[in-house]
Amino acid sequence: AQTVTQSQPEMSVQEAETVTLSCTYDTSESDYYLFWYKQPPSRQMILVIRQEAYKQQNATENRFSVNFQKAAKSFSLKISDSQLGDAAMYFCAYTNYGGSQGNLIFGKGTKLSVKP
Amino acid sequence: DAGVIQSPRHEVTEMGQEVTLRCKPISGHDYLFWYRQTMMRGLELLIYFNNNVPIDDSGMPEDRFSAKMPNASFSTLKIQPSEPRDSAVYFCASSKAGGSYEQYFGPGTRLTVT
Repeated sequence: AQTVTQSQPEMSVQEAETVTLSCTYDTSESDYYLFWYKQPPSRQMILVIRQEAYKQQNATENRFSVNFQKAAKSFSLKISDSQLGDAAMYFCAYTNYGGSQGNLIFGKGTKLSVKP
Repeated sequence: DAGVIQSPRHEVTEMGQEVTLRCKPISGHDYLFWYRQTMMRGLELLIYFNNNVPIDDSGMPEDRFSAKMPNASFSTLKIQPSEPRDSAVYFCASSKAGGSYEQYFGPGTRLTVT
């Protein structure tokens, strides 16, 4: 069974600094997608960034980028120039595919605090 | 475009009562998912539909839970009878076949069973 592990329950960063959130996963599949979702106190789940496993290039969305290491099954999220609005729970998620969609498998989450 | 719509946003009920949660997916999306979020178990899939047909309901905790999708624009999750341990945030999400497999979530329903 696939699993997603986020080993950092909480992280803290100073405003304008850079922070990296870790995620590892376990799968025997070769084709899959990985995601980072953000959940602010409003509890809305917001997609931050996605990575296709077949792409070697790391995904980037403005201040958010990932370090995808397929062999190591690692998928970390880097937030640059942290802002107060980045404070939230961050969830790493996995789904495989191959003709049909399945569910997202989530990690337990990392609570990010941003200090002014 | 409107996102995934869920109602109610909050529900407080007494043990033993029937609870119905509602979801309207994004128009044109083929998949609909129901998740439950608790502090202890995190986010877990309950059931998902493809083209209104239930595909995997292995996450439904017990027979007290049931879900339906009578058409492409509406789904319900029902708990009957409700118990205090059902207290959680319930999310509905939808996605489009052939896309990048990302799911778009509704705002969630916070259920409290007393």
